[in-house]
Amino acid sequence: GAGVSQSPSNKVTEKGKDVELRCDPISGHTALYWYRQSLGQGLEFLIYFQGNSAPDKSGLPSDRFSAERTGGSVSTLTIQRTQQEDSAVYLCASSLVGITTDTQYFGPGTRLTVL
Amino acid sequence: GENVEQHPSTLSVQEGDSAVIKCTYSDSASNYFPWYKQELGKRPQLIIDIRSNVGEKKDQRIAVTLNKTAKHFSLHITETQPEDSAVYFCAATQWGQNFVFGPGTRLSVLP
Repeated sequence: GAGVSQSPSNKVTEKGKDVELRCDPISGHTALYWYRQSLGQGLEFLIYFQGNSAPDKSGLPSDRFSAERTGGSVSTLTIQRTQQEDSAVYLCASSLVGITTDTQYFGPGTRLTVL
Repeated sequence: GENVEQHPSTLSVQEGDSAVIKCTYSDSASNYFPWYKQELGKRPQLIIDIRSNVGEKKDQRIAVTLNKTAKHFSLHITETQPEDSAVYFCAATQWGQNFVFGPGTRLSVLP
């Protein structure tokens, strides 16, 4: 079946502009995660959605970052007033929560470059 | 909350030798432990996983062991090949909620 998809695959923007990154999780997956990965670094957790529960926003680095998940499916990560340090690959992942626990499946990522 | 540590951060082995990466977790309620391989420029991909009701799992040249008492689990790669060179991440979760990842291990297999 279809995996996790993300768009755009690449985004180049100017400092100060807002950007929106989109994630389409695997159908039926109730959990959705956003991570940030700078070059050569690990996975920095940003935000986690699970079903209808309030999202875990503990990883968002500043109030310029926000995310929403509409209808329990598609998610959008918004970065306002982008800064050069926001340049990274933004990865989305989804998983099935419950007794039949399955792994996270990652999307291909969006490479964000802030000039 | 859960905390996952991973060692070593970098590992170099000769082709054909074995490689072992270890992770420790803090939350005894965690019950699912996947390992991911991330090649340069690619997304992390699952290579093997283990659930808390199993002590060891093997898939060809890779194996994972879990010690619930000590709260650690390890990835073992035997007969390493150059294509095994990548960054490896471990993770822990309870019922698939809130995966927590280790910081990663960069494995280099030298020909």
